[in-house]
Amino acid sequence: GAVVSQHPSWVICKSGTSVKIECRSLDFQATTMFWYRQFPKQSLMLMATSNEGSKATYEQGVEKDKFLINHASLTLSTLTVTSAHPEDSSFYICSARDLAGDYNEQFFGPGTRLTVL
Amino acid sequence: GQNIDQPTEMTATEGAIVQINCTYQTSGFNGLFWYQQHAGEAPTFLSYNVLDGLEEKGRFSSFLSRSKGYSYLLLKELQMKDSASYLCAVQDSNYQLIWGAGTKLIIKP
Repeated sequence: GAVVSQHPSWVICKSGTSVKIECRSLDFQATTMFWYRQFPKQSLMLMATSNEGSKATYEQGVEKDKFLINHASLTLSTLTVTSAHPEDSSFYICSARDLAGDYNEQFFGPGTRLTVL
Repeated sequence: GQNIDQPTEMTATEGAIVQINCTYQTSGFNGLFWYQQHAGEAPTFLSYNVLDGLEEKGRFSSFLSRSKGYSYLLLKELQMKDSASYLCAVQDSNYQLIWGAGTKLIIKP
């Protein structure tokens, strides 16, 4: 199946700093990528849909100025958490849809665990 | 509104069979997915149903009834490594995935 990488896999930062997370589709082109956040023992929460060459579509309640998304190419999307605070500590997961796949399913990256001190 | 319901937690014995149910109410329907997620890891794709009926893939099978808004994931010959959360997700009319809260499956020896 299609492979999606995510970097870094974990990061610890001080409150007030910004953190950039990269999501890459390694063996397919993804016009659409998705960013999720997951708190312990909870399900995935879609934050935004990232479209190549255009602005991301954010879900209700997600601050677009705080969570900057850039989908610069068909294989790369980045999420930048600006001025991070402890409440932003979470597991961030990206996914990409392979339109050439059998089921149009989303393939997930391994996730990034963010801890803000 | 859009809603997906699945049990929070289930327990089963190694070697046995377990059925995880999922009911949904969504704006449109373009398929239902089951994903497996081990603790601390990202979800991995298990199955996809868009037509009514049973899809079998090795030890795992998934069933769909669109008229009832109902699906189940059937796991046979349970192994300890099957201990994980199982997520049901429905693709709505905008091809957006609506996620259930997940069912944590605990396998006991």
